Amino acid sequence: DTGVSQNPRHKITKRGQNVTFRCDPISEHNRLYWYRQTLGQGPEFLTYFQNEAQLEKSRLLSDRFSAERPKGSFSTLEIQRTEQGDSAMYLCASTLGESSTDTQYFGPGTRLTVL
Amino acid sequence: DAKTTQPPSMDCAEGRAANLPCNHSTISGNEYVYWYRQIHSQGPQYIIHGLKNNETNEMASLIITEDRKSSTLILPHATLRDTAVYYCIVREFSGSARQLTFGSGTQLTVLP
Repeated sequence: DTGVSQNPRHKITKRGQNVTFRCDPISEHNRLYWYRQTLGQGPEFLTYFQNEAQLEKSRLLSDRFSAERPKGSFSTLEIQRTEQGDSAMYLCASTLGESSTDTQYFGPGTRLTVL
Repeated sequence: DAKTTQPPSMDCAEGRAANLPCNHSTISGNEYVYWYRQIHSQGPQYIIHGLKNNETNEMASLIITEDRKSSTLILPHATLRDTAVYYCIVREFSGSARQLTFGSGTQLTVLP
């Protein structure tokens, strides 16, 4: 299967710890998006990369959050000093990037639980 | 992006057509209508999108009214595996790579 993959699928951590999630987009997709989804809500946009450049960040992305895509392939999302409010599903999506109407393909998500 | 309104939940009998409505009365001429669905604990899955003409693919049909203020997603023969939250999203076609703005969606439950 060559879809978007995310690791880990589940992460339980204690408040105050740092966590890092990884997203591997579909091969040759040059746009990569991160979303966050809390229980009962639709996904909310966090940030977006065009190749290795981070082009847009949501106001939801506090300074405890940082995302990278160092070689324009996989991406990581790090949350420092986690809080219970960070508990959510973190979703990654990628698109080929040839058109503004490109379909976004989503990964299975990483479910974070902060105790 | 224009706002969308969907019913919070709907039921459908297995084997029957599921018709999911979406209201987007403030849609502008350069905005597409997208449908995604999310099966429990999975990432959203693209279904279909359209601008003004009706569209059909192997998963569903999308019917957009002539004034483009509403649309209907049709799953022709719903199965139990179609139980999911269905999101109607309006997205601008602008040359920039816009993120998707999800609402709360419609929880479709297909009943045996």
